[in-house]
Amino acid sequence: DAKTTQPNSMESNEEEPVHLPCNHSTISGTDYIHWYRQLPSQGPEYVIHGLTSNVNNRMASLAIAEDRKSSTLILHRATLRDAAVYYCILSSQAAGNKLTFGGGTRVLVKP
Amino acid sequence: DARVTQTPRHKVTEMGQEVTMRCQPILGHNTVFWYRQTMMQGLELLAYFRNRAPLDDSGMPKDRFSAEMPDATLATLKIQPSEPRDSAVYFCASGFSQDNEQFFGPGTRLTVL
Repeated sequence: DAKTTQPNSMESNEEEPVHLPCNHSTISGTDYIHWYRQLPSQGPEYVIHGLTSNVNNRMASLAIAEDRKSSTLILHRATLRDAAVYYCILSSQAAGNKLTFGGGTRVLVKP
Repeated sequence: DARVTQTPRHKVTEMGQEVTMRCQPILGHNTVFWYRQTMMQGLELLAYFRNRAPLDDSGMPKDRFSAEMPDATLATLKIQPSEPRDSAVYFCASGFSQDNEQFFGPGTRLTVL
């Protein structure tokens, strides 16, 4: 499985944007880039995914580098409820959409 | 609001006992995944099913763990005999095989004494 590299932790102030980087230099052509987050004492929750183009949804935006070797999850206005561990994961339908979780980035939001 | 449900939410048992965890996937989903989360190892995939057929259980200790889907509305994960090192939170997730999103349940927190 192709691996991803994320910073262990990041801090942000409430109502400010948060940019979470992810490196995936060994990504293959069929790998989708997924982001999940895990709030305290809950199961992981889908955030967003993309293949080549940038993606936006109600939760976040995903910016994908042109060579696809890195991506950035953008939370436009962090709230206290966004404090969680954010996981960047590569997955493909050919591999059964399996998710291989790494350590993720723990995001702390300060009021 | 469709959700994955898991029972029990908490389980405390003694070493050597059998443990059965149950998962009800979202109606219509055809893939089911079992994950385990510990502080040391993080989230690990144990097994997954598509259309009730097991596709991959390479993440599971075969000698004591077994996963089944008796029908499309129930997935089970059994540990027999349980050991203290099995203490973890076990998550079930479901989705569509042609889709990328997995929906996770709230987990079963297992403590083996």
